[in-house]
Amino acid sequence: SQQGEEDPQALSIQEGENATMNCSYKTSINNLQWYRQNSGRGLVHLILIRSNEREKHSGRLRVTLDTSKKSSSLLITASRAADTASYFCATDKEDSSYKLIFGSGTRLLVRP
Amino acid sequence: GAGVSQSPSNKVTEKGKDVELRCDPISGHTALYWYRQSLGQGLEFLIYFQGNSAPDKSGLPSDRFSAERTGGSVSTLTIQRTQQEDSAVYLCASSLAQQGGNTEAFFGQGTRLTVV
Repeated sequence: SQQGEEDPQALSIQEGENATMNCSYKTSINNLQWYRQNSGRGLVHLILIRSNEREKHSGRLRVTLDTSKKSSSLLITASRAADTASYFCATDKEDSSYKLIFGSGTRLLVRP
Repeated sequence: GAGVSQSPSNKVTEKGKDVELRCDPISGHTALYWYRQSLGQGLEFLIYFQGNSAPDKSGLPSDRFSAERTGGSVSTLTIQRTQQEDSAVYLCASSLAQQGGNTEAFFGQGTRLTVV
């Protein structure tokens, strides 16, 4: 079964609005990452947050991590049509392995 | 090359034939991952390598699937006696695995496999 599950499964917003996606996972982790995928091919890394961090920013992206709730959120501010893509969270377990498990993803549509 | 390279980009094969998918990771990356993605779905973990060894093969769907990695570099995913349900995009990624957890994974563009 998947380690991470995102919600919502799909999100449609107007350009300029903020988009928030959530990720929940099951086991203790070393870190959590967010990726973006366009057109069903290769994924691109967006941001990594370690288990001892609570918040991280990168440009218009803001990621939070709550290890007590085993959850993370990705906020994209002032969205653009070019942000339309699928977004996935990925975790690796706190067991000295490097197995990287992805969630089911959120499909984001930003309407111009 | 600078990125992860996968070949072929697209593969159409007849049911029952064997296929080999290749992944060239970024030089120096010790961890290599294979995933499968069906249309509109998430990434299904198949297998990962740390160096040449595969600590976790639990994601391989059946014994028709196998993978190897040689010289800590190139990896091949082999599917024997392909079935129509094997049709999907197969994605490879590599990363610098280091103490304290994984680092950013770099993905190839995938191989789209169609079994007819």
